[in-house]
Amino acid sequence: TQLLEQSPQFLSIQEGENLTVYCNSSSVFSSLQWYRQEPGEGPVLLVTVVTGGEVKKLKRLTFQFGDARKDSSLHITAAQPGDTGLYLCAGDLEGNNRLAFGKGNQVVVIP
Amino acid sequence: EAQVTQNPRYLITVTGKKLTVTCSQNMNHEYMSWYRQDPGLGLRQIYYSMNVEVTDKGDVPEGYKVSRKEKRNFPLILESPSPNQTSLYFCASSPGTGGSEQYFGPGTRLTVT
Repeated sequence: TQLLEQSPQFLSIQEGENLTVYCNSSSVFSSLQWYRQEPGEGPVLLVTVVTGGEVKKLKRLTFQFGDARKDSSLHITAAQPGDTGLYLCAGDLEGNNRLAFGKGNQVVVIP
Repeated sequence: EAQVTQNPRYLITVTGKKLTVTCSQNMNHEYMSWYRQDPGLGLRQIYYSMNVEVTDKGDVPEGYKVSRKEKRNFPLILESPSPNQTSLYFCASSPGTGGSEQYFGPGTRLTVT
């Protein structure tokens, strides 16, 4: 059973459109991280959210942590081809000393 | 430049031939980890280390060994590789506990024939 479910698995949109992807769980996390992975490279950390209800912005990317700290969303405004990649969410289960990763949201932005 | 390096980046080998994938970080991180990434299965942790001489199993440790003799290095050893170990492997390090942000290496694509 996957601890973190990411949806949709695959999303293809035109440049300039907005998109939202989701990361859901039935477990409570101390914090949740979002990474972006481009082909042939390792994942790179985008943001960490810690407080329930927290919203963080990174240029055109907006990350939200659910009030109950069980889920998160990533919204991209006016997507650019450079936003293409695999977006991974990872949750820190308290006291577990490990991150649980979702399978990722593959985003393709078409010029 | 702060980074995690892995070698080799690409490796094709045959069943049963022992191999080692090296991993090194220059950020003085205590926590290091190995993952494998497979289509449809995502990132799965193989082994992790919270400090020198302290290692523990992750989700998929079978067929792998690790060692942590120095803080900066965390090699992954496949004593007798099999085709089901064909995968993309990532080493990562973290400044805090295992739940903290991870810094990933560039990956090693391994093919076992």
